[in-house]
Amino acid sequence: GDSVTQMEGPVTLSEEAFLTINCTYTATGYPSLFWYVQYPGEGLQLLLKATKADDKGSNKGFEATYRKETTSFHLEKGSVQVSDSAVYFCALNTNTNAGKSTFGDGTTLTVKP
Amino acid sequence: EAGVTQSPTHLIKTRGQQATLRCSPISGHTSVYWYQQALGLGLQFLLWYDEGEERNRGNFPPRFSGRQFPNYSSELNVNALELEDSALYLCASSLAGLGSTDTQYFGPGTRLTVL
Repeated sequence: GDSVTQMEGPVTLSEEAFLTINCTYTATGYPSLFWYVQYPGEGLQLLLKATKADDKGSNKGFEATYRKETTSFHLEKGSVQVSDSAVYFCALNTNTNAGKSTFGDGTTLTVKP
Repeated sequence: EAGVTQSPTHLIKTRGQQATLRCSPISGHTSVYWYQQALGLGLQFLLWYDEGEERNRGNFPPRFSGRQFPNYSSELNVNALELEDSALYLCASSLAGLGSTDTQYFGPGTRLTVL
């Protein structure tokens, strides 16, 4: 079945540091890939997505590139802010999984001033 | 454009009671999905409704059920509540379901606490 593996957290960075959160996947179909962010006490917000190989999703300074050869979709940001502190989820869905999105376990990011 | 809405925000029940959670999708979206986010367990897929029909369900007992109304809003019912049902229940919607990789947009969730 489909699966998503995220780097284990928590991750603690200083403001303006570079962020990478690793995400790799296995999928039976040809997936679309997503990063969602969850702020404390809130639901999930779509951060960015990519629907085919070599696509780069970007939003709010975050980027991720769909790498089919390495089955990866790593999240990066060049300079994090305190307001980026949240839980980040990598996810995929395919046209063969009957509606279900598959999520990683989430990575908690804390940014200190 | 309004996003996915859920009600209530918080719900407190006791063991054995029933809980009803509601979700309104983004206008124009016909598919609704329910997920459970229990502490330490990540997001677990519960149910998927599309065009009024249940299309898929996750590995949950039958006391988790729901329906989708003609206006595409949805209701999740949990019968015979158990302590381990305490979780954040997230609803998501998308433009299309079967055979689609459409983006799922999430609501803010309903926090269910079972005492």
